[in-house]
Amino acid sequence: DAGVTQSPTHLIKTRGQQVTLRCSPKSGHDTVSWYQQALGQGPQFIFQYYEEEERQRGNFPDRFSGHQFPNYSSELNVNALLLGDSALYLCASSGGTGANTIYFGEGSWLTVV
Amino acid sequence: LAKTTQPISMDSYEGQEVNITCSHNNIATNDYITWYQQFPSQGPRFIIQGYKTKVTNEVASLFIPADRKSSTLSLPRVSLSDTAVYYCLVGERYSGAGSYQLTFGKGTKLSVIP
Repeated sequence: DAGVTQSPTHLIKTRGQQVTLRCSPKSGHDTVSWYQQALGQGPQFIFQYYEEEERQRGNFPDRFSGHQFPNYSSELNVNALLLGDSALYLCASSGGTGANTIYFGEGSWLTVV
Repeated sequence: LAKTTQPISMDSYEGQEVNITCSHNNIATNDYITWYQQFPSQGPRFIIQGYKTKVTNEVASLFIPADRKSSTLSLPRVSLSDTAVYYCLVGERYSGAGSYQLTFGKGTKLSVIP
C-alpha cells in the first residue's frame, strides 16, 4: 500500500517563475492538504482540497493555488516566486476508514534563487 | 484551535525512557491530542493519538490526565534513531468532508546521546 507520494523531490527555480508540485494521496484517502515548512519551523497549513474544491485556506497569498483531480491527486501551484518561498512543501492526505489519521509525504524541496 | 506549548529541546542517553510533556490549557471538548515525529528533510510521521487516559502502541505511550490540559509522550528505551523533532498537536478528530487542518508549533528537538 503506497503512502503519500510527492514529486519532484527537489527543484530549483528563479525568482518570478512559476512552479507546480504534485501529490498522490494514500490509497483510500480523498482529502489532500498542503503545508509549507521553512527551515527550523513547523509546517504551516496552506490549503485543503476535498471533492475537487478548496475547503480551507491558511494565511497564504493568492499566488498559492491548487487543484484536486477526480482521482484525488492534487497539485500545488506557486506563481511569481519569491526568495521567501524556498521551503519544504508537504502534502498530507486523510479520509476513508481510519479517517482521523493524517499522513504526510516526504515533501518537495523548493529553492528559489 | 488550541495552542500547545512544549520544550524546545531535550537530551537523553540511549536506552533511557524519554517523556515529553505538552501543555494545552485551552483544549476543547471535541479535541484530540496527536503526536508526530519528524526527521530532517522528511515529512512528519504519525506516532500516536489519544483523547483521555492512556494510549499505547508499538512505539510510544500517551498519558493524558483527567483535566486534559496537558499530555505526555513517552518513548521507551530510546535509541540514536529516535533523534528527531516531536510535535504535539491538538484539534478535532477528522470526521470527513475536508474540514480538518493541523496547526504545528516548533516542536521539541530530541537529541539522543550515545
